[in-house]
Amino acid sequence: GQQLNQSPQSMFIQEGEDVSMNCTSSSIFNTWLWYKQDPGEGPVLLIALYKAGELTSNGRLTAQFGITRKDSFLNISASIPSDVGIYFCAGQLGVIKAAGNKLTFGGGTRVLVKP
Amino acid sequence: SAVISQKPSRDICQRGTSLTIQCQVDSQVTMMFWYRQQPGQSLTLIATANQGSEATYESGFVIDKFPISRPNLTFSTLTVSNMSPEDSSIYLCSAAAGGNTEAFFGQGTRLTVV
Repeated sequence: GQQLNQSPQSMFIQEGEDVSMNCTSSSIFNTWLWYKQDPGEGPVLLIALYKAGELTSNGRLTAQFGITRKDSFLNISASIPSDVGIYFCAGQLGVIKAAGNKLTFGGGTRVLVKP
Repeated sequence: SAVISQKPSRDICQRGTSLTIQCQVDSQVTMMFWYRQQPGQSLTLIATANQGSEATYESGFVIDKFPISRPNLTFSTLTVSNMSPEDSSIYLCSAAAGGNTEAFFGQGTRLTVV
């Protein structure tokens, strides 16, 4: 089946630093989504990308949909303590398939505060 | 975005018993899904809950173990049957309007089987 490789698996941040993470896939997706999950909560949608090459921002977050449709990255600028959590990329086939909204998730990037 | 409520939020169950998890959406949605998130892991799709018909299961998941109901466009249930400790996970309900729209998630049900 489809696999999403997300890296890094974990990272430590210091307040004010920029953070980057990315996802690659063995097959194409028509939509890429980035979610954040806090402890005890479900994933919350951060950014959705619909077109190859699209670059989208949401506050301090910026994400891009790779031109090959097989990858995406997420940047967080000027990180703050509440950025701590687990970030997941997810690929969605969209309107091409019958159950287009079902998602394939990456393994997650755990963002932690530098001690 | 739709607001998705799951009940219970957590439970501790004895092995061999079954637990039914409810998912309520505050608006009508075309698509509803159930995911499993094992401890420290990512989310894996269990099945698509189809309104008025049998759910569509992903590879590795079967109806006898995870029966799903979806009687209308705002509600679904997932039952975890004949539980074993390996079923200890977070179970998440997701909903989407269909087409190329984003999927949203409930807060999850944290299940521990002892």
